[in-house]
Amino acid sequence: QVQLVESGGGVVQPEKSLRLSCKASGFPFGSYGIHWVRQSPGKGLQWVAVVWFDGNVKYYADSLKDRFTVSRDNSKNTVYLHINSLRDDDTAVYFCARDPGGVVTLDYYFDFWGPGTLVSVSS
Amino acid sequence: EIVLTQSPGTLSVSPGERATLSCRASQSVSSNNLAWYQRKPGQAPRLVIYGASSRAFGIPDRFSGSGSGTDFTLTISRLEPEDFAVYYCQQYGVSRITFGQGTRLEIK
Repeated sequence: QVQLVESGGGVVQPEKSLRLSCKASGFPFGSYGIHWVRQSPGKGLQWVAVVWFDGNVKYYADSLKDRFTVSRDNSKNTVYLHINSLRDDDTAVYFCARDPGGVVTLDYYFDFWGPGTLVSVSS
Repeated sequence: EIVLTQSPGTLSVSPGERATLSCRASQSVSSNNLAWYQRKPGQAPRLVIYGASSRAFGIPDRFSGSGSGTDFTLTISRLEPEDFAVYYCQQYGVSRITFGQGTRLEIK
């Protein structure tokens, strides 16, 4: 079955960097785009970024693109999200989620999600 | 960006009854590119509806989505205990993906 599992979260000081990982299994990983979505405490869901199947196409939320970098290693079935200069308002649960469009297109909705990893920015 | 407003914030319904959740967009959602997700504490969100009215794989037929333009509805007929959760709508019709703030469906 399709599984996505995030890792790499934790308590991080402001201005530090962090890399989150999303390990996938149960489907042909190299044929699907993967998104990152986050949910801050008491706030709604926010789309963060997407990397398409081959890693050559990446898009970011406008407000985050200067500090966030998404990448993937298809040999490891893993997608990464690197966050620089962490701020208090980056505190959130970070989810990775599969785009159902495959190699044909990015559909921009999410057919499978991971359980999330919590990032807490605190000094 | 398109703002999605879900109502009510909390809906209390008894098992076996029908629940109707609303999602209103601040401008028209192109191609009815609207999805609904179910979120339970500690679990991964689950896709319920995409394309405004298409049920995702494995979703029982008591779930139905409807609507177009700016007004969308998720209906759950004959509520089962496992249906009580928070439901979010999401539009993907324009480059900036946005979500509603969620409706908590609780047992009455």
